Amino acid sequence: DIQMTQSPSTLSASVGDRVTITCRASQTISSWLAWYQQKPGKAPKLLIYKSSSLESGVPSRFSGSGSGTEFTLTIISLQPDDIATYFCQQYSSRPLTFGGGTKVEIK
Amino acid sequence: EVQLVQSGGEVRKSGESLKISCKGSGYTFTNYWIGWVRQMPGKGLEWMGTIYPGDSDTTYSPSFQGQVTISADKSVSTAYLQWNSLKASDTAVYYCARRATSYEYFDQWGQGTLVTVSS
Repeated sequence: DIQMTQSPSTLSASVGDRVTITCRASQTISSWLAWYQQKPGKAPKLLIYKSSSLESGVPSRFSGSGSGTEFTLTIISLQPDDIATYFCQQYSSRPLTFGGGTKVEIK
Repeated sequence: EVQLVQSGGEVRKSGESLKISCKGSGYTFTNYWIGWVRQMPGKGLEWMGTIYPGDSDTTYSPSFQGQVTISADKSVSTAYLQWNSLKASDTAVYYCARRATSYEYFDQWGQGTLVTVSS
């Protein structure tokens, strides 16, 4: 199985800050990576697929990059509505696996 | 509007059986794979398996193979997740999600079903 490791596990930042979350794969997954946002008590929501493609309707302050084994999700200017936990997911091979999540809080 | 609407929360005892559902609407149900994802309390996401409602072709994660059964009834645009004998460790929120057309990420999610199993 491909292990996905996210860091940090928790992140505290101020409104307007640039926020970066990292996701590392235990083996190369090309660009087959998605990012999801999950707000408390809600279902996950797709933000990014194929490492850097923004899902329709997702604000442009979100961006993704990376290939191979290292990937990043960036929020250019953190907004109060971005308070959530973020998960990466590889879909290079089965079983599909997710990172452990990064909880983003407002400082 | 694409929607996946899941059945309501359930409370069961260890050893009991359970079947939860996920009804799709706003798109051609038989053209998209549906996956099931587990989220244990306070934990991350785990892929359980995926079904193609068009022909009921199903793939399971090795971690869940033999532990659950995934099925679908295309006549009512509904996918199911079933247990024959629940354990306390099955307590979790279970999400169904629509898989993207050609790739195995999930572009639409149900609201989740909380399953609580007491011992």
